[in-house]
Amino acid sequence: NAGVTQTPKFRILKIGQSMTLQCAQDMNHNYMYWYRQDPGMGLKLIYYSVGAGITDKGEVPNGYNVSRSTTEDFPLRLELAAPSQTSVYFCASSYSVGSGNTIYFGEGSWLTVV
Amino acid sequence: AQTVTQSQPEMSVQEAETVTLSCTYDTSENNYYLFWYKQPPSRQMILVIRQEAYKQQNATENRFSVNFQKAAKSFSLKISDSQLGDTAMYFCAFMAPNTGNQFYFGTGTSLTVIP
Repeated sequence: NAGVTQTPKFRILKIGQSMTLQCAQDMNHNYMYWYRQDPGMGLKLIYYSVGAGITDKGEVPNGYNVSRSTTEDFPLRLELAAPSQTSVYFCASSYSVGSGNTIYFGEGSWLTVV
Repeated sequence: AQTVTQSQPEMSVQEAETVTLSCTYDTSENNYYLFWYKQPPSRQMILVIRQEAYKQQNATENRFSVNFQKAAKSFSLKISDSQLGDTAMYFCAFMAPNTGNQFYFGTGTSLTVIP
C-alpha cells in the first residue's frame, strides 16, 4: 500500500518559472490537501478538496492552483515562481465517513526558487 | 473557529526519562478527533497517536500516551523511556467532521533527547 505519493521530491526553480507538484493516493480517500511548511514553522493549508471536481482555498492560496479530476490525484501548480514560495510542500489525504478520520501525509517535496 | 495552541516551542529530556508535551485547543464542536504527529529531521509527518473526543479512555501506543481533558480542552502527550530516535518536532492537530474535515495544527514543539 503506497499511501500518498508525491513527486518530485526535490526541485530547483528559477524565478518566473512554473511547475506542477504531483500527488496521488491509493486509499480511496475523499479529502485531499496541500500544505506548505517554511523553515522552522508549522503547516499552512494552501488548497484542499472534498472530492473529485471540488476544490477550495486554504489559508495561503495566492500563487497556486489545483485541480481534482479524479479521486486519486490532486496536483498543485505553481505559476510564476517567486523566492517566497521556497518551502517544503506536503500533500495529504483523509477519509470522510465514520470513525477513523486520520490525515496521511506524503513524504514532502522540497522546492527552492532562485 | 478552531485553534490549536502548543505553548512549548522547545523541550529537552534525558534519555530514558519521561517528558510531557502540552497542547490546548478551542472549539465549539462536540464530535472531534485529536492527533499528535512526529516530524523527524527527514520532515516526514508520522502519526504518533490519535484520540476520539467521545472516548473517555486516554489513548496509548507503546511508550506514548495522552492525557485528554475534554472539559479543559487539553491534550498532552507523554513520552516514557525517551529514546534518541524521539528527537523530532511534534505537532498537535485537531479535526472536526462538521468543519469540512479540515485539520488544524499547532505550531509545534521541538523535542531533543539528550544522551
